[in-house]
This record gives sequence, structure tokens and C-alpha cells, in this order.
Amino acid sequence: SQKIEQNSEALNIQEGKTATLTCNYTNYSPAYLQWYRQDPGRGPVFLLLIRENEKEKRKERLKVTFDTTLKQSLFHITASQPADSATYLCARRNNAGNMLTFGGGTRLMVKP
Amino acid sequence: DAGITQSPRHKVTETGTPVTLRCHQTENHRYMYWYRQDPGHGLRLIHYSYGVKDTDKGEVSDGYSVSRSKTEDFLLTLESATSSQTSVYFCAISDPKQGQGVETQYFGPGTRLLVL
Repeated sequence: SQKIEQNSEALNIQEGKTATLTCNYTNYSPAYLQWYRQDPGRGPVFLLLIRENEKEKRKERLKVTFDTTLKQSLFHITASQPADSATYLCARRNNAGNMLTFGGGTRLMVKP
Repeated sequence: DAGITQSPRHKVTETGTPVTLRCHQTENHRYMYWYRQDPGHGLRLIHYSYGVKDTDKGEVSDGYSVSRSKTEDFLLTLESATSSQTSVYFCAISDPKQGQGVETQYFGPGTRLLVL
């Protein structure tokens, strides 16, 4: 089965620091990985997509890496702010390309 | 949540009763999905649709059925609700480019369902 795992423990960091979240997958490398943000009581919101042939992708203070050797994606938020506090979900495309499998999410808490 | 609405937003029902949740989109996206989200399990796909009257099962489809008679509406039905179906249900839509699979999904605000 195609599993995708995220650290279920909350990540607590100080404002201004860089937050790094990890997403690990099993079996073959997916064509791409996606990262979503979810606030309490709301649906997930798409942030970034990184393809298998892309090592790194950036969007403002966000950076995502994709390491097919380690079977891992790292999600970085630089100069973190309390407003970045949320749960971040990683998702992979299945082999047929018709659905996503989501990780359980990692809750990030940025303290002022 | 723009362009996607779910109804009802909250529902309390009793075991054994039928329940229908509605997802409505104004984006004209081809794909629509129903997920459930539970602590410790994350988001799990129940059913999805890749066009009008075209649906397929997801990871946790037992006890659920879906219908899509119009592009904009995707209904999720619990034929006989059970306590294990207490969850938060999210609808999502996507509009994959030709031959590029699922791509980005856009989620609705969710429906909280409590089965007593």
C-alpha cells in the first residue's frame, strides 16, 4: 500500500525561527507531493506542489524539498509568525493518478 | 472555500437513520471527492466522481453511497448511519489537466456529523 506519514506530535517553535515539517512515504516515489494547510474548523487549503523531478520549490516564506532517495519531503516556513500556527498536511498522488492519499498532518504552534 | 458549499454544516442523527450530505460547486470542476477526517486517521477518501454519473470508491467506502446527476452537485448518503460514521466530512473539487491526474484539490468548509 502507498503510505504517507507525518510526525503526529505538535511542533512548537518561537516566532522568527524556521519551522521544518517532515513527510515520509513508502513504496515508489509519487509523481508529485502536495502540502496543505488546515486551520481548526476549516477545510484544507492548498499551499505547494512539488514534482518528482524538482528538488526544491519556494513560495514566499515557504520552501518544499523532495528527496526521492530518502523518500521524504521537507516543508520549511522561514521567519515563522504566530499566524502560521495550523496543521499542515502532506499528500501524495496514487499510481493511477486519480486520487490523493493524505498524511495525518503535523500541528505547528508558533509562539510569540 | 470559495465556490464550494456543503450542507448541512452540522447534523445530529440517530443510529439507523439515513443521512444525505450535499456538496455544491460553482467552479465547473470535473472531479469531486468526499473525505472523512478523524483524529488519528487524517483525511480518508470515501468516494469520488470524475464526471456526471461517473463515480468510484475510495479507501473507506463501506456504508456510503454517492450520486452525481449534475456537474455542480455531489451527494453522499449514509444509508443507515452508525456511530462509527461520526466524523467531519469534507468535499473537495479538482480540475486536472489532460493526462495529469488529480492535481490541486480545493476543499469545502466541512460537515460535522454526530451519530447517536
